[in-house]
Amino acid sequence: DQQVKQNSPSLSVQEGRISILNCDYTNSMFDYFLWYKKYPAEGPTFLISISSIKDKNEDGRFTVFLNKSAKHLSLHIVPSQPGDSAVYFCAASALNNFNKFYFGSGTKLNVKP
Amino acid sequence: NAGVTQTPKFQVLKTGQSMTLQCAQDMNHNSMYWYRQDPGMGLRLIYYSASEGTTDKGEVPNGYNVSRLNKREFSLRLESAAPSQTSVYFCASSIAGGHQPQHFGDGTRLSIL
Repeated sequence: DQQVKQNSPSLSVQEGRISILNCDYTNSMFDYFLWYKKYPAEGPTFLISISSIKDKNEDGRFTVFLNKSAKHLSLHIVPSQPGDSAVYFCAASALNNFNKFYFGSGTKLNVKP
Repeated sequence: NAGVTQTPKFQVLKTGQSMTLQCAQDMNHNSMYWYRQDPGMGLRLIYYSASEGTTDKGEVPNGYNVSRLNKREFSLRLESAAPSQTSVYFCASSIAGGHQPQHFGDGTRLSIL
């Protein structure tokens, strides 16, 4: 059973608008969350992370929000650019086993010029 | 700066053949990981090595063995390949275990006929 879920396989957004990618998790022991970006034929690259002691973390155009009570996190990209078109994975790990990362199935973002 | 290098990039095997996937990192990272990615699914952890000399099972270890040859290298072996092991395999490394982002190689696409 998947402990991290990304229920939207794809998302299409106009350049300059906001992209919101969502991720849900089931394991209440997860306390560290990451977003990775993946281009075709390349490995995932780290984008941004958040610890469970925070509810928001911002890095330039990228902001991650964490709602622990809902077991939900989201990645906001503002403004979206065509170069942001990629597959985005969320991942989570728990303090009691922090080497084990659980990934969602990914959301393919298409930013249209 | 190569980062994480995986060899080979592509391989086709017959059922029952054996194969070793190689991974090397030049970032002086302590922890290394092997994942597989299947269509419609996220990355799933096969094995990891928190530090040189240690290895542990991940989420889907059956059918695989690993060797942490030294601090730089972490190999994944399929002793008797099965069609269910057709996948894209990613190696990753991080500075240490714990809540640190991982750096990924570009993957090995493995097909087993």
